[in-house]
Amino acid sequence: GAVVSQHPSWVICKSGTSVKIECRSLDFQATTMFWYRQFPKQSLMLMATSNEGSKATYEQGVEKDKFLINHASLTLSTLTVTSAHPEDSSFYICSARSLGHSYEQYFGPGTRLTVT
Amino acid sequence: AQSVTQLGSHVSVSEGALVLLRCNYSSSVPPYLFWYVQYPNQGLQLLLKYTSAATLVKGINGFEAEFKKSETSFHLTKPSAHMSDAAEYFCAVTDPTGNQFYFGTGTSLTVIP
Repeated sequence: GAVVSQHPSWVICKSGTSVKIECRSLDFQATTMFWYRQFPKQSLMLMATSNEGSKATYEQGVEKDKFLINHASLTLSTLTVTSAHPEDSSFYICSARSLGHSYEQYFGPGTRLTVT
Repeated sequence: AQSVTQLGSHVSVSEGALVLLRCNYSSSVPPYLFWYVQYPNQGLQLLLKYTSAATLVKGINGFEAEFKKSETSFHLTKPSAHMSDAAEYFCAVTDPTGNQFYFGTGTSLTVIP
């Protein structure tokens, strides 16, 4: 149980284009989803927290107009990187928190974004 | 406020030797503590978690960790390292609300044959 999927697992896009990453909770309802960014050989950095049906809360220093987050349902959150640039290349990981386990986050497998 | 410190960004052990990965936390409230493993280009896999029950927590793949409040530590151990244990390990802390996870900087474990 408590499986989180991400799609795509890797994506290459050209500079200036936008790319959307999906995060789905497959067997539970996720009231809250989190988006993290991980640079090579570094830890995870929380980008934003999203609650179903409301606006995401962004961490300090994260551009909300660049990283658009939509949590439209209890099983789906999307992260759209708009006007991507090479410096946006990174590993993006989402996690989800279920109704029944308020303290625990279940992590997705990650999405490798490369902007050329 | 919470934070996590992982001492040693790189740890090397011989196959069959004891694995010890260190994690110290800082928390103003009773913490919930986690250890995750990450293989290259993959997400985080939960090894074990402490949620205020037994202080010695057993996880998957033979790993265990002991919560020591007096030392504010939650070190991860495994009696005998296996080649497949080579990976990146992250310690994390949150409070009972789970509103925010704080991750350590990670420890890269190398297992020498």
